[in-house]
Amino acid sequence: GDSVTQMEGPVTLSEEAFLTINCTYTATGYPSLFWYVQYPGEGLQLLLKATKADDKGSNKGFEATYRKETTSFHLEKGSVQVSDSAVYFCAPPSGTNAGKSTFGDGTTLTVKP
Amino acid sequence: DVKVTQSSRYLVKRTGEKVFLECVQDMDHENMFWYRQDPGLGLRLIYFSYDVKMKEKGDIPEGYSVSREKKERFSLILESASTNQTSMYLCASSASGRTEQFFGPGTRLTVL
Repeated sequence: GDSVTQMEGPVTLSEEAFLTINCTYTATGYPSLFWYVQYPGEGLQLLLKATKADDKGSNKGFEATYRKETTSFHLEKGSVQVSDSAVYFCAPPSGTNAGKSTFGDGTTLTVKP
Repeated sequence: DVKVTQSSRYLVKRTGEKVFLECVQDMDHENMFWYRQDPGLGLRLIYFSYDVKMKEKGDIPEGYSVSREKKERFSLILESASTNQTSMYLCASSASGRTEQFFGPGTRLTVL
């Protein structure tokens, strides 16, 4: 079945540092891929998505490129802020049930001033 | 603005009580999900539903049941709450054939 391997956390960075959170997947075909973010005390919200191979999703300064040759969807940001402190989840679809995504443990990011 | 709402942000119950967690979405989505989130264990799927009155077990259904009598509402039921069900519970919904999920704010349940 489909699965995702996400970089383990926690990750601690200083403000304005470069961020990469790795995510690789195994899936049948080329499903849409997503990054979700969970701020403290809140539910998950969609951060960005890519619907096909070689697509780049971007939002709030974050980017991720859907690379089919490496089956990866790494999250990057050039200059993190304290407000980016959150848990990040990479989520491709799970199995053949449309609408069901597999969420792993997520990666906790702490940005210090 | 699309919304998934959950009936409570914080809930404290006693062991053995019957607990209802309610989730409502206003996007006319067919799919709805209940997860629990625990430190070190991530998000785990309890139950999901593809349509009214339909339900399927997720990864950890033991100790839980669900009800979906109307399209917009998906309820999670703890028949007899136990302390190991203390957790953050998250509800989500998605449109049929689409994998992007929309989440509610979560309910932090404490069972004493």
